[in-house]
Amino acid sequence: KAGVTQTPRYLIKTRGQQVTLSCSPISGHRSVSWYQQTPGQGLQFLFEYFSETQRNKGNFPGRFSGRQFSNSRSEMNVSTLELGDSALYLCASSLVSRAGGVYEQYFGPGTRLTVT
Amino acid sequence: GQNIDQPTEMTATEGAIVQINCTYQTSGFNGLFWYQQHAGEAPTFLSYNVLDGLEEKGRFSSFLSRSKGYSYLLLKELQMKDSASYLCAVSQAGTALIFGKGTTLSVSS
Repeated sequence: KAGVTQTPRYLIKTRGQQVTLSCSPISGHRSVSWYQQTPGQGLQFLFEYFSETQRNKGNFPGRFSGRQFSNSRSEMNVSTLELGDSALYLCASSLVSRAGGVYEQYFGPGTRLTVT
Repeated sequence: GQNIDQPTEMTATEGAIVQINCTYQTSGFNGLFWYQQHAGEAPTFLSYNVLDGLEEKGRFSSFLSRSKGYSYLLLKELQMKDSASYLCAVSQAGTALIFGKGTTLSVSS
């Protein structure tokens, strides 16, 4: 079974620009979560999507947004980029039901975003 | 507030046993996860605990005490390839995970 894929793997943007990152979950996984990883803050939860609906949201400004399509693929968008947005953005998919429960997440390789 | 603490760095030698501790204070608790992350790679799942006690999985074991807000990951028969960052994470709602900053383990021969 193919793993979680993320595109692009590397990206360089300028302050003030916007960026869109893409994530394709493992086949059959309907939950997709996004995380930001930086050396100073570690891994921080951005948001989770399930069946095209945002289920949970972390403590990030509104410049960070996302969406999920009917095939479970997800995108996240960051508008008005700041230098501090330079990070590794990880997507994780999970086999989870509406009823909840605890499920392991499978991470993609990440997109390394550099803002100059 | 939400707080997950784990040591920043640990060192050990090949063949030894190492225990990586994690303490947490979170507003909710659904389960505790351990992930391994090699430099430049994505985190990979190691184990999770929902109930108190020890979960064993080959060379890796994880323990949870919910009343104490405490977990540890035990790695036995250490190998050089175990050099990595080990991340403790608490699940609160859905699949949202709150991560600690990770423990960098260096295994030497």
